[in-house]
Amino acid sequence: DVVVSQSPLSLPVTPGEPASISCRSSQSLLYSNGYNYLNWFLQRPGQSPQLLIYLGSTRASGVPDRFSGSGSGTDFTLKISRVEAEDVGVYYCMQALHIPYTFGQGTKLEIK
Amino acid sequence: QVQLVQSGAEVKKPGASVRVSCTTSGYTFTQYYIYWVRQAPGQGLQWMGWINPNSGDTKYAQKFQGRVALARDTSISTAYMDLSGLRPDDTAIYYCIRDLAGRTLDIWGQGTMVTVSS
Repeated sequence: DVVVSQSPLSLPVTPGEPASISCRSSQSLLYSNGYNYLNWFLQRPGQSPQLLIYLGSTRASGVPDRFSGSGSGTDFTLKISRVEAEDVGVYYCMQALHIPYTFGQGTKLEIK
Repeated sequence: QVQLVQSGAEVKKPGASVRVSCTTSGYTFTQYYIYWVRQAPGQGLQWMGWINPNSGDTKYAQKFQGRVALARDTSISTAYMDLSGLRPDDTAIYYCIRDLAGRTLDIWGQGTMVTVSS
């Protein structure tokens, strides 16, 4: 199975400051169509995960533009330009190119 | 609006089977794949498989092969996840998710807690 590794696993952030999460895959997620099959999700406490970013860098509908995704191949990054209190939760990346699709371990973002 | 509403919590004995339903609304059911993902208490997310509601074609993670079966009833826009041979480590929240396109898991159900205990 493709191993997806996130870092850091814990991320304390002061409101208004930027935050960045790294996601690395053991195999390339770049398909021949030019798309990277990498999604980012946020799971707020007690809720189902919600989609933030798909195909590596496309923001999902309704997601604030302070969230951005970048990267290609095996290295990806989720950036939050200015963290707000509502961004607290666990962030997961997921590779959707190689079956079985696999998730990172999760990064817990908390407010300082 | 698009919604995926799952059936209620289940408590099962080891060796039993469970069926979780996922009733969709707000879109054409047969146009988008349905994925199933589970999350053990305090743990991360694990992909189980998908079903094409139009054709009924399925794909499963090898880990669950032989124990999981995904099905659908297009007349009521509902997908099902059957898991057999339950073990205590199958205790988890089970989610159904719509794949908008290109494996974009855009809408998640509220989750169904399945507890396996003797």
